Amino acid sequence: AIQLTQSPSSLSASVGDRITITCRASQGIRSALAWYQQKPGKPPKLLMYDTSSLVSGVPSRFSGSGSGTEFTLTISSLQPEDFASYHCQQFKEYLLGFGPGTKVEIK
Amino acid sequence: QITLKESGPTLVVPTQTLTLTCTFSGFALNTNGLGVGWIRQPPGKALEWLALLYWDDDRRYSPSLKERLTITKDSSKNQVVLTMTNMDPVDTATYFCAHSRRLCNTGCYSFDYWGQGILVTVSS
Repeated sequence: AIQLTQSPSSLSASVGDRITITCRASQGIRSALAWYQQKPGKPPKLLMYDTSSLVSGVPSRFSGSGSGTEFTLTISSLQPEDFASYHCQQFKEYLLGFGPGTKVEIK
Repeated sequence: QITLKESGPTLVVPTQTLTLTCTFSGFALNTNGLGVGWIRQPPGKALEWLALLYWDDDRRYSPSLKERLTITKDSSKNQVVLTMTNMDPVDTATYFCAHSRRLCNTGCYSFDYWGQGILVTVSS
């Protein structure tokens, strides 16, 4: 099974900061990576799919890049509503899996 | 408008079988490129994908839990059911069902609508 790792596991940042979260896959998954945002007590919300395709309604300060085994989620200017946990998700051969998550906290 | 809602027991005794039902609306599961999946999240921990029922009745399971899981559907009721055998306290988690869609040009699936989740506690 494909394993996903995320780094960092948590980070502290200020409003307006640019942050990057990395997701690494144990095998190549082409571009089949999605990102979710999750706030406490809520289900995850899909932000991005196919590495860099933004879901409708998601602000353009979110962007994604990568291919193969290394992927990144970047928030260009952190807003108060962005403090949450972020999870990557891979898809290969009709099986899925999630990364361990990254918690973004207010500095 | 797509909605999903999980139902089932919130307390399960160790070794019992858990049966969870996802009741959905706003789509037909036999539509090309769709699916319904189950994902769980232990308190304070990561999301874990469990199973996915695809539009063409293909069923896929997490390799690490495959022997314990079964996903089925009742099309007449717009429901997808997950059973998990031999429950253990480590299976205590919030269980989510979610609508899945083939979103990538390469055919990948992600979860774009989620239920609110149901917290299942395994304890004697």
